[in-house]
Amino acid sequence: DVKVTQSSRYLVKRTGEKVFLECVQDMDHENMFWYRQDPGLGLRLIYFSYDVKMKEKGDIPEGYSVSREKKERFSLILESASTNQTSMYLCASSRVTGTEQYFGPGTRLTVT
Amino acid sequence: GENVEQHPSTLSVQEGDSAVIKCTYSDSASNYFPWYKQELGKRPQLIIDIRSNVGEKKDQRIAVTLNKTAKHFSLHITETQPEDSAVYFCAASNMLTFGGGTRLMVKP
Repeated sequence: DVKVTQSSRYLVKRTGEKVFLECVQDMDHENMFWYRQDPGLGLRLIYFSYDVKMKEKGDIPEGYSVSREKKERFSLILESASTNQTSMYLCASSRVTGTEQYFGPGTRLTVT
Repeated sequence: GENVEQHPSTLSVQEGDSAVIKCTYSDSASNYFPWYKQELGKRPQLIIDIRSNVGEKKDQRIAVTLNKTAKHFSLHITETQPEDSAVYFCAASNMLTFGGGTRLMVKP
């Protein structure tokens, strides 16, 4: 089975802090994704990566950056956390474009 | 980019009834349409998907239909059971734009 893990299930940070969320997949998938999930808004794509060191902006990249130095690891960075970034963050991976995405358990981030 | 709208946002049915969730999309180039189920406190998981060269696909009590001309696709669940209660998300395009989700409640 594909396993996607995220570094934290719950995280509380203060406004202005730099925040790192890490995602690791163990199935040699090409694509990795970061979403945020808010009630009524579904899953909104922040960034995705289709190869090591490659990244593309999603629908809501403002205030976020990403890093993919190794194929199995995809990091989401909040350079200066703000309260409107309080949300559930989900990482996902897929073998190639247009195939099933496998999701991590999510990180619930609270920025105070 | 792609835009996906999903309706209804909430749906309540009696056990044994059918449930239908509908999605529309905007990009005629989209060719992959998956449906994910997210139970409370858990991660989304794929339950069924369809590609643009197919009009309908079934898997036991679940079916998905696709109308490319009208740019809409639907999830059909028959003989609903309490364990079908969850949030369901549709998605479209190769990079997956998701709909807003439907909370399905199946009353015993």
